[in-house]
Amino acid sequence: NAGVTQTPKFQVLKTGQSMTLQCAQDMNHNSMYWYRQDPGMGLRLIYYSASEGTTDKGEVPNGYNVSRLNKREFSLRLESAAPSQTSVYFCASSENPRDNQPQHFGDGTRLSIL
Amino acid sequence: DQQVKQNSPSLSVQEGRISILNCDYTNSMFDYFLWYKKYPAEGPTFLISISSIKDKNEDGRFTVFLNKSAKHLSLHIVPSQPGDSAVYFCAASAEYGNKLVFGAGTILRVKS
Repeated sequence: NAGVTQTPKFQVLKTGQSMTLQCAQDMNHNSMYWYRQDPGMGLRLIYYSASEGTTDKGEVPNGYNVSRLNKREFSLRLESAAPSQTSVYFCASSENPRDNQPQHFGDGTRLSIL
Repeated sequence: DQQVKQNSPSLSVQEGRISILNCDYTNSMFDYFLWYKKYPAEGPTFLISISSIKDKNEDGRFTVFLNKSAKHLSLHIVPSQPGDSAVYFCAASAEYGNKLVFGAGTILRVKS
């Protein structure tokens, strides 16, 4: 009963390094999302994919790229990591983007950039 | 510009009593609202939602109230249990559940 699985759980990078965060869901959901959470703030949407083959920017997309590899997998890439990208990253999925459905979240990737 | 605000950073309640968590929003286009609970080192877990065509939704111990004219929603937990101690996030969407906008969260502590 995995739901949404994120890898890795923790990562430390140096400024300028690149990194791909992986996310997979086994609920046959159409939509997938990437958020970041910073201390004292709510989650903020980075990118989302309403369906396989489509991606769209969220509130804070700068410095990130995404790939919807297939219906199950949605990856987030940092091409040149910056200290401002130190955060906890959450992936989520939902069944249908055109019908109010709750999003289900993974347990997060804690990323530190030195 | 925070579109979703949870003005109480923390709340402490005695076990068995009612917990009331509040949330205000500014965007009148929001039409779907959710509450999530989050434990440390875990992802947010969906609790309950409400669409703008309703003013109340109930699920067991959890009830969400929506006051559209005041742009305010609240989550009531009755009776509160120690296991309810967590961070509670209010979220809203203007696009069928896409592009959720989250509040900063309220830490609920239920004392036994």
